[in-house]
Amino acid sequence: DIQMTQSPSSLSASVGDRVTITCRASQGIRNDLGWYQQKPGKAPKRLIYAASNLQSGVPSRFSGSGSGTEFTLTISSLQPEDFATYYCLQHNSFPLTFGGGTKVEIK
Amino acid sequence: EVQLVESGGGLVMPGGSLRLSCAASGFTFGSYSMSWVRQAPGKGLEWVSSISSTSSYIYYADSVKGRLTISRDNAKNSLYLQMNSLRAEDTAVYYCARGDWPDYWGQGTLVTVSS
Repeated sequence: DIQMTQSPSSLSASVGDRVTITCRASQGIRNDLGWYQQKPGKAPKRLIYAASNLQSGVPSRFSGSGSGTEFTLTISSLQPEDFATYYCLQHNSFPLTFGGGTKVEIK
Repeated sequence: EVQLVESGGGLVMPGGSLRLSCAASGFTFGSYSMSWVRQAPGKGLEWVSSISSTSSYIYYADSVKGRLTISRDNAKNSLYLQMNSLRAEDTAVYYCARGDWPDYWGQGTLVTVSS
């Protein structure tokens, strides 16, 4: 099984800050990775697919990069509505595996 | 507009059974693989199972293999999860999602396994 190690598990940031979240795969997964945002009590929402493609309707302050084993989600200028938990998901092979999540909190 | 609506959750005793349903609309259901993903209270996301558009391939997480069964009815635009021999650790919100790398998700249905 492919393990996804996500870091940090939590972070505190201020509105306007640049935020970076990382996922590392235990083996190469090409660019078969997505990033999701989840707010309390809500379903996850996909932000990025194929590692670097912005989902339609998602603000351009979100971006993804990486290939192989190391991937990054960047929020260029954190907005109040971005405080949430973020997850990566690899879909290169079954079983699909999520990262442990990163909770982004207000500083 | 893509819509996925889960139903069938509730309280069940350990060892009991439950059948979850997911009604899909707003897209050609029979053209997409579908997945179930769950989230235990206060925990992260866990993939449970996926089924291809024609049911030709089905995959399960090891934690549910032999107890949970995914199926679909393309004529009814519906996805199902038959849950047998339920355990306390199956307590979670269960989400129906479109695709193997899900783009759209339902709002979830809560399954509580407790005596």
